Amino acid sequence: SQKIEQNSEALNIQEGKTATLTCNYTNYSPAYLQWYRQDPGRGPVFLLLIRENEKEKRKERLKVTFDTTLKQSLFHITASQPADSATYLCALGGNFNKFYFGSGTKLNVKP
Amino acid sequence: NAGVTQTPKFQVLKTGQSMTLQCAQDMNHNSMYWYRQDPGMGLRLIYYSASEGTTDKGEVPNGYNVSRLNKREFSLRLESAAPSQTSVYFCASRLAGGPGETQYFGPGTRLLVL
Repeated sequence: SQKIEQNSEALNIQEGKTATLTCNYTNYSPAYLQWYRQDPGRGPVFLLLIRENEKEKRKERLKVTFDTTLKQSLFHITASQPADSATYLCALGGNFNKFYFGSGTKLNVKP
Repeated sequence: NAGVTQTPKFQVLKTGQSMTLQCAQDMNHNSMYWYRQDPGMGLRLIYYSASEGTTDKGEVPNGYNVSRLNKREFSLRLESAAPSQTSVYFCASRLAGGPGETQYFGPGTRLLVL
């Protein structure tokens, strides 16, 4: 079965630096990959989507890369702010109606 | 526009009790989903409904049943709750189930089974 790995250890960075989060997967060939943000006590909120034929996608301070050979996606937040502190989840999609989520990485941005 | 709403927010059950988690969306979406989220395990799909009148099993359907009451509402029922069903349950919806469409999540129901 498919396996999705995100760093379970929290990522602590200083305000203004670039945060880089990793999503690795095995036993699956997703047609696309999504990144979500989840704040404590709330549901996930969609951030970005990247398709298998795209290498990179950007939205404001966010950037996602997708390497189907390495089976890896990197999620970058540039000029990070304390308000970016949250848990970030990656989700693989292929079959139209099913998604597979990673367990998420908690990001702490310190002022 | 409330988006996706879930009731109740919190619930404590005793082993063997039953309950129904309610979910409604006002975005005219066709597809709806139920997930559970446990520490260190990510979101796991319990059941989904691609459209009104259809439901399908996800990764972890055992111990649950669902009903797609109409286009807006999708309920999750625990017939005989077990401690292993202690979790946070999220409902989600998306427009038509096409590739790449985002899911919109509700605020979650926190369930404790004693």
